[in-house]
Amino acid sequence: EVQLVESGGGLVQPGRSLRLSCTASGFTFGDYTVTWFRQAPGKGLEWVGLIRGKTSGEPTEYAASVKGRFTISRDDSKSIAYLQMNSLKTEDTAVYYCTRDFPAVAYELWGQGTLVTVSA
Amino acid sequence: DIQMTQSPSSLSASVGDRVTITCRASQGISNDLAWFQQKPGKAPKRLIYAASSVQSGVPSRFSGSGSGTEFTLTISSLQPEDFATFYCLQYNSYPRTFGQGTKLEIK
Repeated sequence: EVQLVESGGGLVQPGRSLRLSCTASGFTFGDYTVTWFRQAPGKGLEWVGLIRGKTSGEPTEYAASVKGRFTISRDDSKSIAYLQMNSLKTEDTAVYYCTRDFPAVAYELWGQGTLVTVSA
Repeated sequence: DIQMTQSPSSLSASVGDRVTITCRASQGISNDLAWFQQKPGKAPKRLIYAASSVQSGVPSRFSGSGSGTEFTLTISSLQPEDFATFYCLQYNSYPRTFGQGTKLEIK
């Protein structure tokens, strides 16, 4: 079955770090760009960033709100993408989703999401 | 950044009604627009991509149209399972941006 599964969410204090994982199955993970989105409680959806698959050019891109604090990486041998979140702020509280991107079109595959709560 | 202005923000309708939701982009995005449906506690589900292409498995009552800066999602005859929140997303440039969402409620 083609799917994405996020994990690693939880409660963390402001200023601390957390790493999320996105584990893929059912397709050739290394061929695809992986994009992360998030959704704060009761709010809309926000693009966080991406890591490209087997292609040339800039490997990652980030939203301005997370640039310099978040880092996306991948281990194609394990079919996992990571979202390393440092210097967390209360406004980073959200459900984080990973999605499959290029060469797929327009995010047709999403994980179930993992909740990150940043609170003292 | 491209701003996506979605309207209305909420909508009350009855089963069988025809419903239209609109998204306007602050600059031209060709047809690089998708529509998603989200139910409480669930991940978004893609309904439409490339402005008017219906995702496989999505009922034919859902349709999309538009190009450039004006886009619409139409549900031709609302069914009970359609009540949810809908979002548009532009994927023409980075950062990707969503509309604010339309909450569709039962009248």
